[in-house]
Amino acid sequence: EAQVTQNPRYLITVTGKKLTVTCSQNMNHEYMSWYRQDPGLGLRQIYYSMNVEVTDKGDVPEGYKVSRKEKRNFPLILESPSPNQTSLYFCASSFFSGHSSYNEQFFGPGTRLTVL
Amino acid sequence: KQEVTQIPAALSVPEGENLVLNCSFTDSAIYNLQWFRQDPGKGLTSLLLIQSSQREQTSGRLNASLDKSSGRSTLYIAASQPGDSATYLCAVLPNAGNNRKLIWGLGTSLAVNP
Repeated sequence: EAQVTQNPRYLITVTGKKLTVTCSQNMNHEYMSWYRQDPGLGLRQIYYSMNVEVTDKGDVPEGYKVSRKEKRNFPLILESPSPNQTSLYFCASSFFSGHSSYNEQFFGPGTRLTVL
Repeated sequence: KQEVTQIPAALSVPEGENLVLNCSFTDSAIYNLQWFRQDPGKGLTSLLLIQSSQREQTSGRLNASLDKSSGRSTLYIAASQPGDSATYLCAVLPNAGNNRKLIWGLGTSLAVNP
């Protein structure tokens, strides 16, 4: 089954304790992206990757890191989490193509993160 | 800069009503537009995707239309049911640059009352 998976689905942690949220897709997509969703602010992009070893900042990258060592995986790393990173996080993937038919984005189930 | 607006922000209707949710965007240069459903605190369920060359898409009781020139999309829900209660999000994929970043509206929160 074609899908995007994220782990963990729920996480409660404390300020400063490094954590990683994993994202994996099995559709051979080149493009992957992380969003965070906050009440009243909607979904905002954190980082994106157009292919292996190619990553770039989105709109709200502060406090986050990513890596893209393999095509299927795009982990989100919080080196020193703070309470303002409490949010709902979504990973997304798609083909990277100039043809609109290939640009549908698929989303993971979300990770609810609480930083105390 | 592309902006997406959804009106109304909240809607409450009795069961059985046909209803329309609106989405407007400021720049017509888009690859596609997607409608999503989100239950409280949960994930995103993709409902319909309309390519830039298409006018509408249908799935069951849902019908989404796209008028790119006027920057509008509507999501029509026929014979609404309490199970339709959720937040409905609209997102456009701009046809510009390398970042395939979706631009999101803030959603319409729908309550269908039995």
